Amino acid sequence: DAGITQSPRYKITETGRQVTLMCHQTWSHSYMFWYRQDLGHGLRLIYYSAAADITDKGEVPDGYVVSRSKTENFPLTLESATRSQTSVYFCASSSPGISNQPQHFGDGTRLSIL
Amino acid sequence: SQQGEEDPQALSIQEGENATMNCSYKTSINNLQWYRQNSGRGLVHLILIRSNEREKHSGRLRVTLDTSKKSSSLLITASRAADTASYFCATDVLQGAQKLVFGQGTRLTINP
Repeated sequence: DAGITQSPRYKITETGRQVTLMCHQTWSHSYMFWYRQDLGHGLRLIYYSAAADITDKGEVPDGYVVSRSKTENFPLTLESATRSQTSVYFCASSSPGISNQPQHFGDGTRLSIL
Repeated sequence: SQQGEEDPQALSIQEGENATMNCSYKTSINNLQWYRQNSGRGLVHLILIRSNEREKHSGRLRVTLDTSKKSSSLLITASRAADTASYFCATDVLQGAQKLVFGQGTRLTINP
């Protein structure tokens, strides 16, 4: 089915561990985004990508790494997880355009770091 | 940094009533978007209004934009229990860059 899927939906890990969140979209959208959603902060952009092999930092990139070797995949890695990275993570995609296009979101990954 | 701020933070109304949510932003925009988020789900795009538009409709949704006041409102008419969700406005950072800045949202509860 067409859409954007995130995996896993839930993850519990320990501080210091590396964890990778996966995002896959079937629309061939060139733009992809990673957000985190926390109470009191709304959605904040971590990283985004305009195309394969092109990534750029968002508002809160520290502690995260992304890659985009294929248009459809945009994994987010926490290299050494900290408790402050406990959050709900959302991946989104959009088409390019002269003006900003609607973004399509996955259902999120709820990550708990103990 | 938050570009858009929604008001109120929470709203509870009876089914059938109208719900109005407001969004204020700080810098010039090219367009403003509204999204809905049901509990435990991702955001869903509702409507986009361009800076040269003043009002836009989509079904029971009506969005207005006042660029002089840097504000937008989302009106949901004849509310239903299924409208219970959080609603977010989002503004563009730079035209064409596709980055959006989201407000913190309004939590809407429709009571049967």
